[in-house]
Amino acid sequence: QLHLQPSGPGLVKPSETLSLTCSLSGGSSRTADYYWGWIRQSPGKGLEWIGSSSYNWNTYYNPSLKSRVTISVDTSKNQFSVKLDSVTAADTAMYYCARARRKFGDQGFLWFDPWGQGTLVTVSS
Amino acid sequence: EIVLTQSPGTLSLSPGERATLSCRASQSVGSNYLAWYQQKLGQAPRLLIYGASSRATGIPERFSGSGSGTDFTLTISRLEPEDFAVYHCQQYDSLPYTFGQGTKLEIK
Repeated sequence: QLHLQPSGPGLVKPSETLSLTCSLSGGSSRTADYYWGWIRQSPGKGLEWIGSSSYNWNTYYNPSLKSRVTISVDTSKNQFSVKLDSVTAADTAMYYCARARRKFGDQGFLWFDPWGQGTLVTVSS
Repeated sequence: EIVLTQSPGTLSLSPGERATLSCRASQSVGSNYLAWYQQKLGQAPRLLIYGASSRATGIPERFSGSGSGTDFTLTISRLEPEDFAVYHCQQYDSLPYTFGQGTKLEIK
C-alpha cells in the first residue's frame, strides 16, 4: 500500500523559498498512471490545490501560484518536491502531498488518493 | 474557475441520525467529476466518494453520494461516533481543480 511522507523546514522567512519533499514507500513514482501533487490548507480555511506533476515532468499548476511554484519528480529517489518562491505570511499553511490517477488521454488527472500526512509551514521572520 | 459552495457550514446532529451535506458548483461539473473527502482533526483528508457516487475502497455503505451538473450531495445514512469530522467536496473536471470550504459535522 502506497505511503507518502512529506518533509521539509517548518519555518521559512518572508521572501525566501519554501521547499518540501514527499517520499514514497510501497509504490513507485515512475509510473505513467499517476500524477503527484501538493495541496495546502491555511489555518481555518479550505483546501487549495497547488499543482501536480507526472513522473516525466508534465506539470499542471494553480494559476494563482503558477508564477512562484515548481513541482518536480525524482524517480531515482522515489520522491517528488515543491518549491514556492518569494513566500509571505499568506503562504503559512499545512501542506499535503497526494497521488492522483491520470485521466484517459492525459487530459489532467482525477481525485486525490492517498494523501500524506500534512506538514506545517510557517512563514515568519 | 469552478467555485464550490458547501452547505451548511456546520451541521449539528446526534449519532444514529441521517446527515445530508450539499456541494453546489458555480458551473456544471462535467462527467460527474466530483469527489468527497473526510478530514478528522489533525489528519489528512481521506477519499470517501469519487465520480459523485462511487465509494472508495473500504468506505462503509452508510456513506453515499449523489447529484450531477451543479448540485451534489453526500449522505450519511446513520451517523456513527467516528463520522463527526469535516467534509470537503472537490471537482476535478476543469483546471484549476478546486475544493469547497468544508462542512463541519459536529455532535449535537
